[in-house]
Amino acid sequence: GAVVSQHPSWVICKSGTSVKIECRSLDFQATTMFWYRQFPKQSLMLMATSNEGSKATYEQGVEKDKFLINHASLTLSTLTVTSAHPEDSSFYICSARGATSGVYEQYFGPGTRLTVT
Amino acid sequence: LAKTTQPISMDSYEGQEVNITCSHNNIATNDYITWYQQFPSQGPRFIIQGYKTKVTNEVASLFIPADRKSSTLSLPRVSLSDTAVYYCLVGDFHSGNTPLVFGKGTRLSVIA
Repeated sequence: GAVVSQHPSWVICKSGTSVKIECRSLDFQATTMFWYRQFPKQSLMLMATSNEGSKATYEQGVEKDKFLINHASLTLSTLTVTSAHPEDSSFYICSARGATSGVYEQYFGPGTRLTVT
Repeated sequence: LAKTTQPISMDSYEGQEVNITCSHNNIATNDYITWYQQFPSQGPRFIIQGYKTKVTNEVASLFIPADRKSSTLSLPRVSLSDTAVYYCLVGDFHSGNTPLVFGKGTRLSVIA
């Protein structure tokens, strides 16, 4: 199956700093990418949907000025957590969707563990 | 998107067949049923997808009755490595922008 990578796999940052997480689709073109957040023992929570070259659509309750999403190409999307605080510590997972032979498939990255101290 | 209901947790012994049922009473005509597996600190992994009747692949089977209001994921002869959270998702995933919205999932524990 298709591969989606995330970088970094884990990051520790100080409160007030910004962190950028990259999501790449390695062997297919992702027309749409999704960002999720997952707290311990909980399910994945959809944060936003982004299409290449367009502004991201954020879910209710997700601050677009805090979680900046850029989808500049068909293989790369970035999530920047600005002015991070300890409550932003979580597991962030991206997902990429693309069409092969007219059928859309969706694949998930391995996730990025963010710890804000 | 159709809401799904699954058991919160299940236990099984190694070598047994495990069946996890998901209810989706409000499934729409264009909706597919997809199951994902997630291990701790990893992204979800696709297991199987179906629209109706029965689908089988190398790791699982998916049974969908005629009314499509529920589905059952069947894992044959589970091993300790099948301990994970299993998510049932329903939606029109073959259109480009429809996101996968996760419910609470079923935490499967396989015991030796």
